[in-house]
Amino acid sequence: AQTVTQSQPEMSVQEAETVTLSCTYDTSENNYYLFWYKQPPSRQMILVIRQEAYKQQNATENRFSVNFQKAAKSFSLKISDSQLGDTAMYFCAFTEGGSEKLVFGKGTKLTVNP
Amino acid sequence: DAGVIQSPRHEVTEMGQEVTLRCKPISGHDYLFWYRQTMMRGLELLIYFNNNVPIDDSGMPEDRFSAKMPNASFSTLKIQPSEPRDSAVYFCASCMVGIAPGYTFGSGTRLTVV
Repeated sequence: AQTVTQSQPEMSVQEAETVTLSCTYDTSENNYYLFWYKQPPSRQMILVIRQEAYKQQNATENRFSVNFQKAAKSFSLKISDSQLGDTAMYFCAFTEGGSEKLVFGKGTKLTVNP
Repeated sequence: DAGVIQSPRHEVTEMGQEVTLRCKPISGHDYLFWYRQTMMRGLELLIYFNNNVPIDDSGMPEDRFSAKMPNASFSTLKIQPSEPRDSAVYFCASCMVGIAPGYTFGSGTRLTVV
């Protein structure tokens, strides 16, 4: 079965600093996609960044970047220059190619302190 | 595009009552998903549709839960009879196959059964 593990239930960081959220996953497939979603207190689920497994280059979206280690099945999210608005739950998610089902990790609650 | 629209945003009902949650996906999206979010279990996939046809309902917890998608622009999730343990946030999401993977979520319905 597909599983996604986020080992850090909670994290905090000072404004303007950098923080890295961890995620590992389990699959026997070679074609799949990985995602990070943000859920602020408003509870809206917002797609932050996606990574295709066949791409070796790590995805980047402004202050958000990933470190994708395919052999280790690791997919961490780095947030640079943290802002107060980054305070949220962050969910790592995974889907295998050919399937549209997303499997989510349990989430990491990130607090950015002023 | 207005995004995925869910209604109501909040619902409080008494145990034993019927509850109907509604979702309008993004126009042109051919997949629709219903998720449930609780503190204990995280985000769980309940059921998903492709071109209005239910593909996988293995996540529906029991017969009290049912979902329909009568057309491409509307879906309902019904709980009858409702129980306190059904209290959760219910999300609808949609996506289009062939486009960059990843869902667009609605803002969710917070259901409280008393």
